[in-house]
Amino acid sequence: DQQVKQNSPSLSVQEGRISILNCDYTNSMFDYFLWYKKYPAEGPTFLISISSIKDKNEDGRFTVFLNKSAKHLSLHIVPSQPGDSAVYFCATPSMNYGGSQGNLIFGKGTKLSVKP
Amino acid sequence: DAGVIQSPRHEVTEMGQEVTLRCKPISGHNSLFWYRQTMMRGLELLIYFNNNVPIDDSGMPEDRFSAKMPNASFSTLKIQPSEPRDSAVYFCASSTGTSGSYWETQYFGPGTRLLVL
Repeated sequence: DQQVKQNSPSLSVQEGRISILNCDYTNSMFDYFLWYKKYPAEGPTFLISISSIKDKNEDGRFTVFLNKSAKHLSLHIVPSQPGDSAVYFCATPSMNYGGSQGNLIFGKGTKLSVKP
Repeated sequence: DAGVIQSPRHEVTEMGQEVTLRCKPISGHNSLFWYRQTMMRGLELLIYFNNNVPIDDSGMPEDRFSAKMPNASFSTLKIQPSEPRDSAVYFCASSTGTSGSYWETQYFGPGTRLLVL
């Protein structure tokens, strides 16, 4: 059973408009979330994160929103640029290590296409 | 720094053959992760090392898979014998894994694309 779900496999947006990528999670104990971006033939790279003590974190054109009651987070990209075209993964640290460093649990990703 | 280095980048082999994937983590990082990406299951953890010691190998599919980390700068993932269902992209990632920290950024290598015919 997927613990982190990205229900939209793909999203197409016009350049300059807002891109909104969504992610749902099942375990209310999860308290830290990350977004990774992946270009073809490359590994995922860290983009932005949010702790559950916040409901919003902003970094330039990228903003992540967290709704703990709904167990939902979203990544907003404004304005979208063609170079943002990539697969975006939502992730959360595994709870298996008693609060110590562990692996990430990933959603299946959403492929964003930003058209000029 | 050079980032996480993986080799080979692509591997095509026949069913039954042994496959060895290699990873060099970022210098100074003491946590290393092997992930596998498939269409069906997405990105999933295979095994996690901390200070060269395997911490969690519950994601290793079966005995055909083995992983080693003989020193802080090198790890291997071996599949023997390989099967077509092992075809996937295998990623290695590393992080500083500072003791006591809950989470730190994981840096991924470019991946090895494996095709087993």
